[in-house]
Amino acid sequence: ETGVTQSPTHLIKTRGQQVTLRCSSQSGHNTVSWYQQALGQGPQFIFQYYREEENGRGNFPPRFSGLQFPNYSSELNVNALELDDSALYLCASSGRGQGWTDTQYFGPGTRLTVL
Amino acid sequence: AQTVTQSQPEMSVQEAETVTLSCTYDTSENNYYLFWYKQPPSRQMILVIRQEAYKQQNATENRFSVNFQKAAKSFSLKISDSQLGDTAMYFCAFGDSWGKFQFGAGTQVVVTP
Repeated sequence: ETGVTQSPTHLIKTRGQQVTLRCSSQSGHNTVSWYQQALGQGPQFIFQYYREEENGRGNFPPRFSGLQFPNYSSELNVNALELDDSALYLCASSGRGQGWTDTQYFGPGTRLTVL
Repeated sequence: AQTVTQSQPEMSVQEAETVTLSCTYDTSENNYYLFWYKQPPSRQMILVIRQEAYKQQNATENRFSVNFQKAAKSFSLKISDSQLGDTAMYFCAFGDSWGKFQFGAGTQVVVTP
């Protein structure tokens, strides 16, 4: 167990709907990264939040947005859902040092199915 | 942008044997970290081992060890004395100095009795 939790575990939505996924980071960690993992593929970086501000973004459209709260938990919001958004969404937390990469600890993921 | 390549989609190994997974990466950075993560069917991504690029000594974690060749940009994982519980998808990941991770496509390891 990493101490990183995600909710919900599974979610089914229809095209055009909006969804919010939640992540609680490991105690002591101030950085949260979100990934999309399509079936049979490696995780793809969506964005990262550090101390409540976006700290980098991958190649995802603006309809993917996020928030980080003062307690360092985070939300991933996806608007106007498309069929291709069906995937496992992973959250990872880390304690960011002074410019050094820290190990990322992953949550169990949220499986999103878009019909 | 960094790229991570895992050229072996699947590897099969018998219990107690050794298997080596390959990973190559491309980067212009000098300071970075490399990781191997394991994702069993339960889908929780678990850290196996990590290597700091500035360290010449290869990392070891119990039955898991790496062969890090910085000049060749190669980072292979050796699993010794394979166990049935090692069956999982293994991902190689590159972490840049800003904490951004790039993952490879993964190698499915199947351990057979």
